[in-house]
Amino acid sequence: DTEVTQTPKHLVMGMTNKKSLKCEQHMGHRAMYWYKQKAKKPPELMFVYSYEKLSINESVPSRFSPECPNSSLLNLHLHALQPEDSALYLCASSQEGAGNQPQHFGDGTRLSIL
Amino acid sequence: QKEVEQDPGPLSVPEGAIVSLNCTYSNSAFQYFMWYRQYSRKGPELLMYTYSSGNKEDGRFTAQVDKSSKYISLFIRDSQPSDSATYLCAMRRSGNTGKLIFGQGTTLQVKP
Repeated sequence: DTEVTQTPKHLVMGMTNKKSLKCEQHMGHRAMYWYKQKAKKPPELMFVYSYEKLSINESVPSRFSPECPNSSLLNLHLHALQPEDSALYLCASSQEGAGNQPQHFGDGTRLSIL
Repeated sequence: QKEVEQDPGPLSVPEGAIVSLNCTYSNSAFQYFMWYRQYSRKGPELLMYTYSSGNKEDGRFTAQVDKSSKYISLFIRDSQPSDSATYLCAMRRSGNTGKLIFGQGTTLQVKP
């Protein structure tokens, strides 16, 4: 089991639905990340939070809205998604401050858009 | 040209073989290097993390970094069927930006 927990593991939603993905870590990490991974491709960075503030947005469409309520939690709010948004969404965390610590990933939420 | 090149394979070896996985990169600003293993329907699992040229060993795994050649390797000794997975190299610049640059991943199959 990983130390980064993501829920739900699977999500099927229609294009008009609103849903949220959740990520939790209790390693004391102050940097948290969202990645998107399509089949047989490497993860692609979407967002980075450092000390609960958004520090990187990789030009992600506004139908994806991240939120970091506290240092242990990271959410990704989804609205009006498209079929091409179907993918594995991965959360990761790392120590911050030193700036050069490895990222630890959760097992992801597998999202299917109907 | 991609910043990080990794042969996607697939690579098939018999059980007990030594496996060599490699990545090349073009940006000399990369200072930190990682190898992740990803099983089907799971997230990437950190295997090795290095930040200097040379070798780092952990059990059956050895990570090698050659910054002068911009080349990194992961060696797996005495490979097992449970090592069958996709192996991703990843690297980043120094500083506080969190952006990892991944290779395409190499799919490894270890046959009993």
